Amino acid sequence: EAGVAQSPRYKIIEKRQSVAFWCNPISGHATLYWYQQILGQGPKLLIQFQNNGVVDDSQLPKDRFSAERLKGVDSTLKIQPAKLEDSAVYLCASRLAYNEQFFGPGTRLTVL
Amino acid sequence: QKEVEQNSGPLSVPEGAIASLNCTYSDRGSQSFFWYRQYSGKSPELIMFIYSNGDKEDGRFTAQLNKASQYVSLLIRDSQPSDSATYLCAVFTGNQFYFGTGTSLTVIP
Repeated sequence: EAGVAQSPRYKIIEKRQSVAFWCNPISGHATLYWYQQILGQGPKLLIQFQNNGVVDDSQLPKDRFSAERLKGVDSTLKIQPAKLEDSAVYLCASRLAYNEQFFGPGTRLTVL
Repeated sequence: QKEVEQNSGPLSVPEGAIASLNCTYSDRGSQSFFWYRQYSGKSPELIMFIYSNGDKEDGRFTAQLNKASQYVSLLIRDSQPSDSATYLCAVFTGNQFYFGTGTSLTVIP
């Protein structure tokens, strides 16, 4: 079974630029999560999708971050404009069975 | 605010010893509890999960849950250098996962 796919793996941008990340969950997984993990911290949930609907986006900075999951499969997370404090690893995870979630390899974003 | 607390470490143990990692959580309604291992520069990988009070064993790993004390732990027996990583405790509450900051473990050969 293929795992969660993410791209790109690394991205370096300057502040105020825009960036987009892509995630393809494990086939058949209805629930998809985007997390932000700052160095030395645990993952923090940004947004949770159930199929193509948003379940929770309470911690998503909506003035600059947006996410969508068209057709209930893959998802994109966008930051526009980026700030220095957005430097982090962005993790996508998906879940099928009760409670277990699986992470993709992550995208490491550096904002200069 | 749902909180998950872990001792950030670093925790160092000699090879072959037992490593004990601890986690406390604030929400009594939390339903299930997870331990993830994260190597430097990699994403978290699930080690094991536990739902019920008591112990759950999987190979060299044992998870222990005490809901009355709001405490969950992970024991790693016969620690190996390859166990050196950050261990994240996660709590599932109200359809969402909450993570601790992780405990850094170093197993010394």
